[in-house]
Amino acid sequence: GIQVEQSPPDLILQEGANSTLRCNFSDSVNNLQWFHQNPWGQLINLFYIPSGTKQNGRLSATTVATERYSLLYISSSQTTDSGVYFCAVVSTGGFKTIFGAGTRLFVKA
Amino acid sequence: DGGITQSPKYLFRKEGQNVTLSCEQNLNHDAMYWYRQDPGQGLRLIYYSQIVNDFQKGDIAEGYSVSREKKESFPLTVTSAQKNPTAFYLCASSMVPSSGANVLTFGAGSRLTVL
Repeated sequence: GIQVEQSPPDLILQEGANSTLRCNFSDSVNNLQWFHQNPWGQLINLFYIPSGTKQNGRLSATTVATERYSLLYISSSQTTDSGVYFCAVVSTGGFKTIFGAGTRLFVKA
Repeated sequence: DGGITQSPKYLFRKEGQNVTLSCEQNLNHDAMYWYRQDPGQGLRLIYYSQIVNDFQKGDIAEGYSVSREKKESFPLTVTSAQKNPTAFYLCASSMVPSSGANVLTFGAGSRLTVL
């Protein structure tokens, strides 16, 4: 099945810093989502982005489907950005959503 | 407000007991899913259902069972056959458009601890 690798596994930032999270996947996809899991375990969908670029406030994401990777950019980080960021994909022709292991982000005040 | 309700939030059980986790959605979504999350890990798919009265095994279905008698409900039973059931369980739902754009919406999760 399709493999999803996220990097870095852990990230510590000072408040106000910018960061880039990466998601590599091993096969073509027709669905890619980025999620944020808060400290209480709730998963929130950030972006549905199988290709192209989207922006939502301080967050933006780019997926280059032909090269099988996606990037999540966080600008001017805040302490509330802390948590785990997951990339999740559905391979072309498939239905199951497969998650990466996540990037654990801690933003220091 | 539309959303997914999971209950209970926390559950403790003794070894050898079956437990059932509830998942209800009012989003009119066709598909529903159960994922398991272990500490520091990603999510692994247990079961999913695309339509009422039909469901498929995910990657770690052994020791679990589900039913889909109503569109709104997708309960998960953790049986005594599940060797290591202590985990965080997440239910999700999505539309099933032909394009494959099944964007997942998650419930708040149920944390099961086996004593």
